[in-house]
Amino acid sequence: GAVVSQHPSRVICKSGTSVKIECRSLDFQATTMFWYRQFPKKSLMLMATSNEGSKATYEQGVEKDKFLINHASLTLSTLTVTSAHPEDSSFYICSAQEAPAKNIQYFGAGTRLSVL
Amino acid sequence: QKEVEQDPGPLSVPEGAIVSLNCTYSNSAFQYFMWYRQYSRKGPELLMYTYSSGNKEDGRFTAQVDKSSKYISLFIRDSQPSDSATYLCAMRSNTGTASKLTFGTGTRLQVTL
Repeated sequence: GAVVSQHPSRVICKSGTSVKIECRSLDFQATTMFWYRQFPKKSLMLMATSNEGSKATYEQGVEKDKFLINHASLTLSTLTVTSAHPEDSSFYICSAQEAPAKNIQYFGAGTRLSVL
Repeated sequence: QKEVEQDPGPLSVPEGAIVSLNCTYSNSAFQYFMWYRQYSRKGPELLMYTYSSGNKEDGRFTAQVDKSSKYISLFIRDSQPSDSATYLCAMRSNTGTASKLTFGTGTRLQVTL
């Protein structure tokens, strides 16, 4: 299957700082990437959908100024958690989809964010 | 009512048992059905992908889709301790915001020695 690399896997930061998470498709070009948040023992909650070269589409209730998404190339999307607070502590997971016709999402390994 | 219902478990079975995992859904527009396996603190890994109704087999795994009943299943034969994980069903339609997946809550499976 296709490989999606997510970095970093773990980050601890102080309240008020910003954190950037990278998601890369290693062996395919991803026209669409997705960002999810997962709470302990809960399912994935879609935060936003990003298409290369255009603005991300955010789900209801997700603050676009808080969670900045950039999809500058067909192999890279980034999620920046701005001015992080303890309530932003969570497991963030990205996924990538090769093309509309190949409608399978491949997931990264996730990033565990802890905000002190 | 949630669009996708999945028993969260935990489901505990002895090694070698046949495991049956299920999801029901309410949206008749769903056409693509997936099963993902997620180990603790890792991202989901695609196990099976099925379009519309029917069966699909891959090694010890068999996925079944019954669109008339809005019911999908994943069977694991000869279960191993390494199969212990959370299994998420996911599905999507072919229209509208077609790329978005709707997930079940996940079933936590524990295979014991």
